[in-house]
Amino acid sequence: AQRVTQPEKLLSVFKGAPVELKCNYSYSGSPELFWYVQYSRQRLQLLLRHISRESIKGFTADLNKGETSFHLKKPFAQEEDSAMYYCALSTSSGNTPLVFGKGTRLSVIA
Amino acid sequence: DTEVTQTPKHLVMGMTNKKSLKCEQHMGHRAMYWYKQKAKKPPELMFVYSYEKLSINESVPSRFSPECPNSSLLNLHLHALQPEDSALYLCASSQGQVLDNEQFFGPGTRLTVL
Repeated sequence: AQRVTQPEKLLSVFKGAPVELKCNYSYSGSPELFWYVQYSRQRLQLLLRHISRESIKGFTADLNKGETSFHLKKPFAQEEDSAMYYCALSTSSGNTPLVFGKGTRLSVIA
Repeated sequence: DTEVTQTPKHLVMGMTNKKSLKCEQHMGHRAMYWYKQKAKKPPELMFVYSYEKLSINESVPSRFSPECPNSSLLNLHLHALQPEDSALYLCASSQGQVLDNEQFFGPGTRLTVL
């Protein structure tokens, strides 16, 4: 069975400080990994996916298969980054549901 | 149109009522999903439809009944719900292709059962 672990429920950082949101997964096959973000009163939206290897809003995430991790990083946090962040895993078969971690609430303090 | 829409935005119903939640997408996606999200919790899968056929039912009680009338629409029929069913109900869709499981979420319907 697939599982996603986000060890931090809440992460508070000062504006301009680096941010790292941790995500570890367990899955015996080749996973697809995603980071979704939910801003206050907005819909859940995709932030990053590992196969695209993009940087979105200054965030990056690298899939480390050896450590089964997909940590989300940003060098300089902004106040508008305050939101709920969910790491999610899917198998590669195309119509499988996402398995979400419990989420980390990021609070960026001015 | 690159959005998933859901109606209604809010719904209050009694335990004896029958109501329906609606979800629509016009992105040509062939997989559609219902998730339930309680406050401060991650979304939990309820159902998956693939090419208009129910492919996953996560042991959801029969008081929730999904329906996929066509490739663009997904309904969730509600009957005899309990107060603990109060939650945000999210619809999502994806291409349904191998190695492309990015899911697009609707804004949700906030359901309150009295």
